[in-house]
Amino acid sequence: AQKVTQAQTEISVVEKEDVTLDCVYETRDTTYYLFWYKQPPSGELVFLIRRNSFDEQNEISGRYSWNFQKSTSSFNFTITASQVVDSAVYFCALSLSSGGSYIPTFGRGTSLIVHP
Amino acid sequence: DAGITQSPRHKVTETGTPVTLRCHQTENHRYMYWYRQDPGHGLRLIHYSYGVKDTDKGEVSDGYSVSRSKTEDFLLTLESATSSQTSVYFCAIRGLMNTEAFFGQGTRLTVV
Repeated sequence: AQKVTQAQTEISVVEKEDVTLDCVYETRDTTYYLFWYKQPPSGELVFLIRRNSFDEQNEISGRYSWNFQKSTSSFNFTITASQVVDSAVYFCALSLSSGGSYIPTFGRGTSLIVHP
Repeated sequence: DAGITQSPRHKVTETGTPVTLRCHQTENHRYMYWYRQDPGHGLRLIHYSYGVKDTDKGEVSDGYSVSRSKTEDFLLTLESATSSQTSVYFCAIRGLMNTEAFFGQGTRLTVV
């Protein structure tokens, strides 16, 4: 069984603050993939990043960074110097490679509100 | 952007009526998924397909059926809509050589 927990339901920050969105996952598989998606107020789901279980390198993309730690089964997402346009619901997801299905299991999402 | 289109985008229907949602892709991807999104639940898998005429159930499949007669189309049917099926429905696609799924724009379904 696989599970993704996003304990933060809603986070409210003021523009330019740094914010970290937490994601904790559960799986017994050794090969798996982790993802983050963004859902802005317009409603579409936008893929942000993928990380496989054998690559614990952190990744930075502009103001976005991701910290993957297998020891704590976490894949956290940090936005540096947040902006109003970052306001969205963010989903963490996990998929397993077993059978080639790679079906994503999603967390419940964290709603980020960035105030001007 | 992934070539994926959902129709209709919005629908209001009455309890007990059948409803079919369509997901159309132009990417020739093998895998297609239907999810529903509800407040407090995130996205939950309804059904998925791993090829033409090959489908399987997801976490919340009761009350739903699917069909995939062509690679490009994946249909989700509510045989007899209930108010508990009021939700936003998302279709997603994934290529054989990819691990990430790409989503359609969503369909907002209201059952009254």
